[in-house]
Amino acid sequence: AQTVTQSQPEMSVQEAETVTLSCTYDTSESDYYLFWYKQPPSRQMILVIRQEAYKQQNATENRFSVNFQKAAKSFSLKISDSQLGDAAMYFCAYRSPLYETGNQFYFGTGTSLTVIP
Amino acid sequence: NAGVMQNPRHLVRRRGQEARLRCSPMKGHSHVYWYRQLPEEGLKFMVYLQKENIIDESGMPKERFSAEFPKEGPSILRIQQVVRGDSAAYFCASSPDRTLAGYTFGSGTRLTVV
Repeated sequence: AQTVTQSQPEMSVQEAETVTLSCTYDTSESDYYLFWYKQPPSRQMILVIRQEAYKQQNATENRFSVNFQKAAKSFSLKISDSQLGDAAMYFCAYRSPLYETGNQFYFGTGTSLTVIP
Repeated sequence: NAGVMQNPRHLVRRRGQEARLRCSPMKGHSHVYWYRQLPEEGLKFMVYLQKENIIDESGMPKERFSAEFPKEGPSILRIQQVVRGDSAAYFCASSPDRTLAGYTFGSGTRLTVV
């Protein structure tokens, strides 16, 4: 089974600074999808960014970008110009290729991000 | 267009009672997924359903848990004879099909077993 590891249970960043959240995963598949989800205290799971494994280019969404290292099975999230509203739990997730029957996500245990004013 | 609606938001049950969790997918979405989040953990897959069909239930405990997604109405996750270990947040997600886009989560139901 695929496993997703987030080795940083907690991180903090000064407002307006940059922070990087780490994620590694284990898989034998060559084609898959990776995601970062944000979970604020409201508990809503919010998609932050996604990456297709077959794409070389790192995904970017405004202040959020990823560093995808396929050979190293690493998928880190960089948040630039951190804002107070970025404070939340962040989950890294892996999804099998669409031709797989299960169609499920595998989540890491999360990183709690605190933004310091 | 309302998002994925889950209710109740909070549910308290005594040990041995039944818990019913409801999920109304986004309009036009016919694929529903249930996940469970234990304290201090990430979400764990439970079951994947399409209308009237269970596609993958590999994450469902073998006993006491069942799920359905009828032709009409919401998807229901049912837990019989709840135990303290069932206390968790249960999330539902939906998608219009099996494509990458459109996997939208609800806000979850927090089940507390006392």
